[in-house]
Amino acid sequence: DAKTTQPNSMESNEEEPVHLPCNHSTISGTDYIHWYRQLPSQGPEYVIHGLTSNVNNRMASLAIAEDRKSSTLILHRATLRDAAVYYCILSDMNRDDKIIFGKGTRLHILP
Amino acid sequence: AAGVIQSPRHLIKEKRETATLKCYPIPRHDTVYWYQQGPGQDPQFLISFYEKMQSDKGSIPDRFSAQQFSDYHSELNMSSLELGDSALYFCASSPLTEHEQYFGPGTRLTVT
Repeated sequence: DAKTTQPNSMESNEEEPVHLPCNHSTISGTDYIHWYRQLPSQGPEYVIHGLTSNVNNRMASLAIAEDRKSSTLILHRATLRDAAVYYCILSDMNRDDKIIFGKGTRLHILP
Repeated sequence: AAGVIQSPRHLIKEKRETATLKCYPIPRHDTVYWYQQGPGQDPQFLISFYEKMQSDKGSIPDRFSAQQFSDYHSELNMSSLELGDSALYFCASSPLTEHEQYFGPGTRLTVT
């Protein structure tokens, strides 16, 4: 399975944008880039996914490097409720894929 | 919108007992996944089902078995429980046409 590398933890101030990086240098051409997050005491929650182009949804934006070896999840205006562990995951588009969770980034939001 | 339902939410069992966890996927989702999350750890994939057939298998102990029924709900059966089985067990579902998975709230299993 292709692997991802994320910082262990990050801090951000409330109401400021947050950029969460992810490196995936061994990504294959058929891998989607997915982001999930897990809030305290809850199940993981889908955030966003993309293949080659940048993506936006109501929760976040996903910026994908041109060579696809890295990506950045952008929370435009962090709130205290965004404090969670964020997981960057690769998933083969040709398979109904299980999620292999790595260590993720623990995001702390400062009031 | 309907979400994934898991029952029970909490379960306490003694060593060597059996436990059954149930998962009801979102309507029209035909794929179910089970994950285990130990204390302070990241979720680990156990097993998945598509259209009532096992589709993939992860680090699931031989003491555990699972199945998906005709109404698409799934059950995870755990026998000869050990202290190390104490964990959160999440079920997720997805439709075949989408890649994102939708997780339930989990079942917290405590083995004493």
